Amino acid sequence: DSGVTQTPKHLITATGQRVTLRCSPRSGDLSVYWYQQSLDQGLQFLIQYYNGEERAKGNILERFSAQQFPDLHSELNLSSLELGDSALYFCASSAPRDHYGYTFGSGTRLTVV
Amino acid sequence: AQSVTQPDIHITVSEGASLELRCNYSYGATPYLFWYVQSPGQGLQLLLKYFSGDTLVQGIKGFEAEFKRSQSSFNLRKPSVHWSDAAEYFCAVGILGQAGTALIFGKGTTLSVSS
Repeated sequence: DSGVTQTPKHLITATGQRVTLRCSPRSGDLSVYWYQQSLDQGLQFLIQYYNGEERAKGNILERFSAQQFPDLHSELNLSSLELGDSALYFCASSAPRDHYGYTFGSGTRLTVV
Repeated sequence: AQSVTQPDIHITVSEGASLELRCNYSYGATPYLFWYVQSPGQGLQLLLKYFSGDTLVQGIKGFEAEFKRSQSSFNLRKPSVHWSDAAEYFCAVGILGQAGTALIFGKGTTLSVSS
């Protein structure tokens, strides 16, 4: 157990639907990062939050959004889902002033049918 | 633009043989470099990282990596591979932006270990 908790582990949904992925960071970590892993694109950085504020944005689609709540858990919202959104979505967290000390969760596997 | 290239998609090594996984990066500034391992159905685990100093970095599970600035490379090595090392390996470069950070990953190298 890495200390980063992601739920659900698996999610199957239909095209056009909306889903929410949840991440609880490791205790004491203030940063949360979201990554998408797909066969064709590999691991792609989506977005970073630090203590509730968006800090860095990567290749995140407009249909996707995220937020970090006061208790530091984060949610990634994916809407108008397409077949190509099927992927593993990873969350990682890091401690204050340890920007690259990532701890990854075990991921949420999203299947869009 | 920053990028990481792992030229080998799949490598098979005999158990007990040595291993070298290649990684080349493109980044304008001094890079922060990482190797991660991912076992099937698992998240990514950090093997080692290079920030500065000694260009030969030791990591967990007997892995090491050497930073070569002239070749823009950060190859991962292990002198004797164990069957449990079979996994996917990712090289990454750390990007420090104006307000945040991110890791840019290579496409990964799948390691198979034969007996």
